[in-house]
Amino acid sequence: SQQGEEDPQALSIQEGENATMNCSYKTSINNLQWYRQNSGRGLVHLILIRSNEREKHSGRLRVTLDTSKKSSSLLITASRAADTASYFCATDSIGSQGNLIFGKGTKLSVKP
Amino acid sequence: DAGVTQSPTHLIKTRGQHVTLRCSPISGHKSVSWYQQVLGQGPQFIFQYYEKEERGRGNFPDRFSARQFPNYSSELNVNALLLGDSALYLCASTEGNEQFFGPGTRLTVL
Repeated sequence: SQQGEEDPQALSIQEGENATMNCSYKTSINNLQWYRQNSGRGLVHLILIRSNEREKHSGRLRVTLDTSKKSSSLLITASRAADTASYFCATDSIGSQGNLIFGKGTKLSVKP
Repeated sequence: DAGVTQSPTHLIKTRGQHVTLRCSPISGHKSVSWYQQVLGQGPQFIFQYYEKEERGRGNFPDRFSARQFPNYSSELNVNALLLGDSALYLCASTEGNEQFFGPGTRLTVL
């Protein structure tokens, strides 16, 4: 079963704009991870945020986590056409022994 | 360093057949997980192995089985294939809390 729900399901923006994707989940977590997937290929790990962290940055990526609302957001700043991909959040729930539960993903399209 | 490798890349089978998918984790990683990703959905957890022992199993029927070898590579076996087994099968190796995924095997069941 899916744990998370990404919002929006699809997002289309122009190059240079910022893209924000949201993720909600249901159970208590150890950490939350964001992945990128290009055209049905393997998943690329973007960033991990632990349950005791509220914000994390990596290059043009900014992730926030609100455990009281069971939600996270991924912000991609100054987007590029190469950022076009599907983005998934995945939660490592307490007691899951590290097995990840994924949402359905947000399909991001960045137009040049 | 090589990342996670999976073979084959693509596979076409017919209903009722069985299939074996293979995965080699990143060197030094002892844990391997398998996920199934149906078109338009996020990956769903199937199995996790650590040091050749099954550590977790998702909500999949007994037709799905897996094992891990002494060199930490792994096989996923699916028997009596159904049309609904058509999917991208992803393998991930784990270091700490992070899972690193391979390119996947695209299985089509006709």
